[in-house]
Amino acid sequence: DAKTTQPPSMDCAEGRAANLPCNHSTISGNEYVYWYRQIHSQGPQYIIHGLKNNETNEMASLIITEDRKSSTLILPHATLRDTAVYYCIVRVGWGNAGNMLTFGGGTRLMVKP
Amino acid sequence: DTEVTQTPKHLVMGMTNKKSLKCEQHMGHRAMYWYKQKAKKPPELMFVYSYEKLSINESVPSRFSPECPNSSLLNLHLHALQPEDSALYLCASSFHTSRIDYGYTFGSGTRLTVV
Repeated sequence: DAKTTQPPSMDCAEGRAANLPCNHSTISGNEYVYWYRQIHSQGPQYIIHGLKNNETNEMASLIITEDRKSSTLILPHATLRDTAVYYCIVRVGWGNAGNMLTFGGGTRLMVKP
Repeated sequence: DTEVTQTPKHLVMGMTNKKSLKCEQHMGHRAMYWYKQKAKKPPELMFVYSYEKLSINESVPSRFSPECPNSSLLNLHLHALQPEDSALYLCASSFHTSRIDYGYTFGSGTRLTVV
């Protein structure tokens, strides 16, 4: 599976957009980019995923570069409740039973008042 | 129901005790997972069940014994644990192991302390 590289921590002012980068330069053509977040003492929460097109849902937007070697998760108006560890994961969407979700180091986002 | 429910939320056990962690979902998911998470580290996969059968064991010590009695329940039986096994134990589910584009749903975890 492709490895991902994320900054270990970031700060963001409340109400501003939080832009979380992820590098995945060895991503394969059939691998999706997934984002999860984990708020302190809770289980990880699915945010969004994409293959090559930009995606948007009620939580966030995902921007994937044309060469697919990097992506950015955008929280358009960050709130204090968005303080969490954000994980970028690349996985094949369809595959065999060995295709599990594996977490890397993630980015610890601190939203400040 | 769109949740994965884990009980208990907190557990303290001695090294000679036997205890069980429980996980339940009613979303019709046929894949269920156990993860272990140490403080300030990412979750690590332990076991995977697919259609009630164990499909992956990530070389977990035998003092951890998983069980999937039916498609909605997943247990983790604990026996003779060590203090270093203290961690947050997370349960997750998904529609299938072979398709994860719908994402995993995680429970809130059981915080285990071994004394």
